[in-house]
Amino acid sequence: QKEVEQDPGPLSVPEGAIVSLNCTYSNSAFQYFMWYRQYSRKGPELLMYTYSSGNKEDGRFTAQVDKSSKYISLFIRDSQPSDSATYLCAMNSGGSNYKLTFGKGTLLTVNP
Amino acid sequence: KAGVTQTPRYLIKTRGQQVTLSCSPISGHRSVSWYQQTPGQGLQFLFEYFSETQRNKGNFPGRFSGRQFSNSRSEMNVSTLELGDSALYLCASSLGWGQGGYEQFFGPGTRLTVL
Repeated sequence: QKEVEQDPGPLSVPEGAIVSLNCTYSNSAFQYFMWYRQYSRKGPELLMYTYSSGNKEDGRFTAQVDKSSKYISLFIRDSQPSDSATYLCAMNSGGSNYKLTFGKGTLLTVNP
Repeated sequence: KAGVTQTPRYLIKTRGQQVTLSCSPISGHRSVSWYQQTPGQGLQFLFEYFSETQRNKGNFPGRFSGRQFSNSRSEMNVSTLELGDSALYLCASSLGWGQGGYEQFFGPGTRLTVL
């Protein structure tokens, strides 16, 4: 079983839709959770950074973490064609461990 | 504030050669991590340096090595290149301490092609 599972998609939605992206994980030690957006042939861009369980909102983006279910989500409201990219979840257990463990990424296309 | 910079952006090498990649972190960041990204394996952690010391290491062979300088700039080296080393190599910088220290910011990457 992989430490982090992420549906690779692809996911195609119309402009203005609400997008839901998810990851599940098996390592209960993870406590820092991140979402990155990666455009083709570019480096990942940090979108959201959360610690432990709960919700965090930033503009059109909302990140949710449910540690009891080992499940994290990213919601994108009013999706735009510029949101078309690969979305990667990443996790870290903290302490002296600075390694990020990534999901494989979900390819999202927002159609105008 | 300037972001993470990586040089060179593209490299073409042949099997058996060695290569050195460079990364300059965000000003004030003392931690530099390196990742390899391939279509099959995704993003995999290579190693992390903090204040010139390797603090974390991934599961890569000894052909992959790195170092960090006193100004936090980092280099990674791959010796005896193999075809399977073709990948996007990404550098990420973070504060490296405190609760916010796990927040990593990535550079644009160096795309290495091994022929």
